[in-house]
Amino acid sequence: SQTIHQWPATLVQPVGSPLSLECTVEGTSNPNLYWYRQAAGRGLQLLFYSVGIGQISSEVPQNLSASRPQDRQFILSSKKLLLSDSGFYLCAWSHQNTEAFFGQGTRLTVV
Amino acid sequence: AQRVTQPEKLLSVFKGAPVELKCNYSYSGSPELFWYVQYSRQRLQLLLRHISRESIKGFTADLNKGETSFHLKKPFAQEEDSAMYYCALSGPDRGSTLGRLYFGRGTQLTVWP
Repeated sequence: SQTIHQWPATLVQPVGSPLSLECTVEGTSNPNLYWYRQAAGRGLQLLFYSVGIGQISSEVPQNLSASRPQDRQFILSSKKLLLSDSGFYLCAWSHQNTEAFFGQGTRLTVV
Repeated sequence: AQRVTQPEKLLSVFKGAPVELKCNYSYSGSPELFWYVQYSRQRLQLLLRHISRESIKGFTADLNKGETSFHLKKPFAQEEDSAMYYCALSGPDRGSTLGRLYFGRGTQLTVWP
């Protein structure tokens, strides 16, 4: 069966420090991969999505970047975190126009 | 551009009352519409999709292309239905045949005993 792992679950980082959140998928191949930020009152904001290795589409300009070094690995990064980067980040995978499966999420607090 | 609109952030009903969570979308092609649910301390998960036309946990949703709506309905709400509900849209963007998955901001449903 397919599973999705996202870590860490919680993270506290100082302003200006780098960020790396990792997401891996098991049990499927060539998935579409997504990074979302879930904010109270704003719902799920699509940050990045990828349809293949090295193929990244960015939805909104921001202080974050994403990479897909392997078929089932999706990484969310930042070189220098801002206070406004605090939030709850969700990784998800799907196949074209089918159900999406979500990770457990990462609560990021930038202090 | 806002593609999925859920006008209600919060919705409260009493147990046994009917409930309708509204969702409107903006899309020029033929999208796939979904409802996702997040119960307390659980992962976001699919509730239903329009293409399957099925009832899940007593919930149904009909795609109305004329009104560009995909409202979620249940005739008799239960306390265990209390959760955050997200409407979502998937479809290819202009110039691409590959779909993105967009969510509304969510509606927190509370069902009182």
